[in-house]
Amino acid sequence: AQRVTQPEKLLSVFKGAPVELKCNYSYSGSPELFWYVQYSRQRLQLLLRHISRESIKGFTADLNKGETSFHLKKPFAQEEDSAMYYCALSGFNKFYFGSGTKLNVKP
Amino acid sequence: AAGVIQSPRHLIKEKRETATLKCYPIPRHDTVYWYQQGPGQDPQFLISFYEKMQSDKGSIPDRFSAQQFSDYHSELNMSSLELGDSALYFCASSLGAPRDEAFFGQGTRLTVV
Repeated sequence: AQRVTQPEKLLSVFKGAPVELKCNYSYSGSPELFWYVQYSRQRLQLLLRHISRESIKGFTADLNKGETSFHLKKPFAQEEDSAMYYCALSGFNKFYFGSGTKLNVKP
Repeated sequence: AAGVIQSPRHLIKEKRETATLKCYPIPRHDTVYWYQQGPGQDPQFLISFYEKMQSDKGSIPDRFSAQQFSDYHSELNMSSLELGDSALYFCASSLGAPRDEAFFGQGTRLTVV
C-alpha cells in the first residue's frame, strides 16, 4: 500500500541548530516526492520536490530509494522556519500526504 | 479518531452539469481548505474558510463557489462543468492557534465526461 510516514509530530530546535524532518514512504513504483510547508493559518505551499533537486529557503531533501526516505534538512534553522511540514508522494494519479511535523524554532 | 470526511468519494458528471462536493472537518476544527489536483499535477489551492468566512482565495474558477456552514462543514459547488474539471478534490481542516496542523481528507474523484 502507498503510504507516507512522518514519525515526528513535533520537532523543537534552537535557532541556528541543524534540523532534519524525517519522511519515509512505501510505494510500488517510482514516486515523485515533495515537501509542503504550511505557515500559521496560511495555505499549503510547495517547498521543494525531489526531481528539481533545488534548495529552497536553505532546505534540501534527498531521495534515498534504498531506505525509501526523503528527509528534509537545513543546516541552520531560523525562527521563521517555524511551521507545519508535510511530506507528500505523487503516484498512480493520487497524492498521499504524511501526517505532518510541526517545526518549532526557538530563539 | 475522527478524520476529515469527504463525500462522495467518486462522482461522474457530464459536461455542463453541476456538482456539489462536501467536506466534514474534524470536530472542533474551524478552518477548511479546498485543493484541486488534476491528473499528473500538484495540488492547487482553491479556497479556504475560517469560522464560516472566506479567509483566502486561490485559483478557483468563477463557475465554482464554496461556503462553510454553521456546523463547519463545507461544500464546493461546481457549475457548467468542463472536461478540464476532472480532478481529485480534497479538503483539509485545522484548528486555529496554538495548533495549526492540517488534516487531509481522502478526496473526491470527479470525472467529467
